[in-house]
Amino acid sequence: DTEVTQTPKHLVMGMTNKKSLKCEQHMGHRAMYWYKQKAKKPPELMFVYSYEKLSINESVPSRFSPECPNSSLLNLHLHALQPEDSALYLCASSQGDSNQPQHFGDGTRLSIL
Amino acid sequence: AQKVTQAQTEISVVEKEDVTLDCVYETRDTTYYLFWYKQPPSGELVFLIRRNSFDEQNEISGRYSWNFQKSTSSFNFTITASQVVDSAVYFCALSEYGNNFNKFYFGSGTKLNVKP
Repeated sequence: DTEVTQTPKHLVMGMTNKKSLKCEQHMGHRAMYWYKQKAKKPPELMFVYSYEKLSINESVPSRFSPECPNSSLLNLHLHALQPEDSALYLCASSQGDSNQPQHFGDGTRLSIL
Repeated sequence: AQKVTQAQTEISVVEKEDVTLDCVYETRDTTYYLFWYKQPPSGELVFLIRRNSFDEQNEISGRYSWNFQKSTSSFNFTITASQVVDSAVYFCALSEYGNNFNKFYFGSGTKLNVKP
């Protein structure tokens, strides 16, 4: 079982809907990440939170809005998405050092109708 | 500029064959870290190994072994006596020193198909 839990596992939404992806870890990690992964591609970094502060936003469109309510939780709020946003969204966490591995969740498979 | 190159897009082997997955990286940092991850069809990326730039010892873990060579900027991964369960996409990643988090530069991945 993964130590990073993502919900939901699957999500189908229309372009006008608002939904949220959730990620939770209880390993005491201080860095959390959102990735987008298209088929047959590597994960693409979207956001990094370090000590609950947004450290990296990789020029992600504003229709994706991250939130880190506390050190264990990470949300990704979705609004007015486009069909090309359909992908696997992965959450990861790591200890607060650049030499530590990231631990990934199972991901949310998102389909935009 | 691409920092991690995995030139093998897809490899197919028959069970019990040995297979090596190549990873070449580039960085100007003297301190950096290399990782291998496995991604089965279920989607989760599973951490396999981390190696720092100061430790060039090769490592063996069961059927898995890793060959780190700074002289050629390579960090190759060998699976001995492959099994069907090894079928997955394997990613090599580089992290450079200096943050309170870990920014990965992923290679494009190598899909390994192990046939019975």
